[in-house]
Amino acid sequence: QSVLTQPPSASGTPGQGVTISCSGGVSNIGSKSVLWYQQFPGTAPKLLIYNNNQRPSGVPDRFSASKSGTSASLAISGLRSEDEADYYCAAWDVNLHSRLFGGGTKLTVL
Amino acid sequence: EVQLVESGGGLVKPGESLRLSCSASGFTFVSYTMNWVRQAPGKGLEWVSSITSSRNFILYGDSVKGRFTVSRDNAENSLHLQMNSLRAEDTAIYYCTRETNMEAFDIWGQGTMVTVSS
Repeated sequence: QSVLTQPPSASGTPGQGVTISCSGGVSNIGSKSVLWYQQFPGTAPKLLIYNNNQRPSGVPDRFSASKSGTSASLAISGLRSEDEADYYCAAWDVNLHSRLFGGGTKLTVL
Repeated sequence: EVQLVESGGGLVKPGESLRLSCSASGFTFVSYTMNWVRQAPGKGLEWVSSITSSRNFILYGDSVKGRFTVSRDNAENSLHLQMNSLRAEDTAIYYCTRETNMEAFDIWGQGTMVTVSS
């Protein structure tokens, strides 16, 4: 069981918005920046969000993220079929001296 | 082109060893902390190890501590992971990743599969 907790699945229809949550603790999300990764089946993960809410160049602004206290969330607006993927949150844990990943959320575009 | 290419994966028996390598190109390798992340079949991502640019700070996940050793050759732009006393639960795709100064893994290799089975 991951220290960072994500819902195992999420879904939405094309054009809709969806939010994926990530819950942690004081020693990780509460004190360090949150990252989000997107992974398509059979491929390596891709950095989607860094520093809680910053998008690397090339990531559409349909993807946004926020953090509050010990929780974070990834929001995707205007869902497209190509957004169907697994999404992982991540953060450093200052007590465990370890990089943590959430368990991942499988997004289905209906 | 910025690229990471892993190699060295394969099928080994429990208790055996394996050495993974990651070849970096297209960026100044010596400037970056590098990490290994693994993913068991059908499972999520698990951080394995981290090594800073000057090798003065090395960390391991609890599940591999004492069995795996990370190293790097800055002259050869390569990262390595020596895996000893392998267990069935080490079966996974192993990814080499580059870490930015914002603690983000911004570049990932294609991964190399390690299977531990008798």
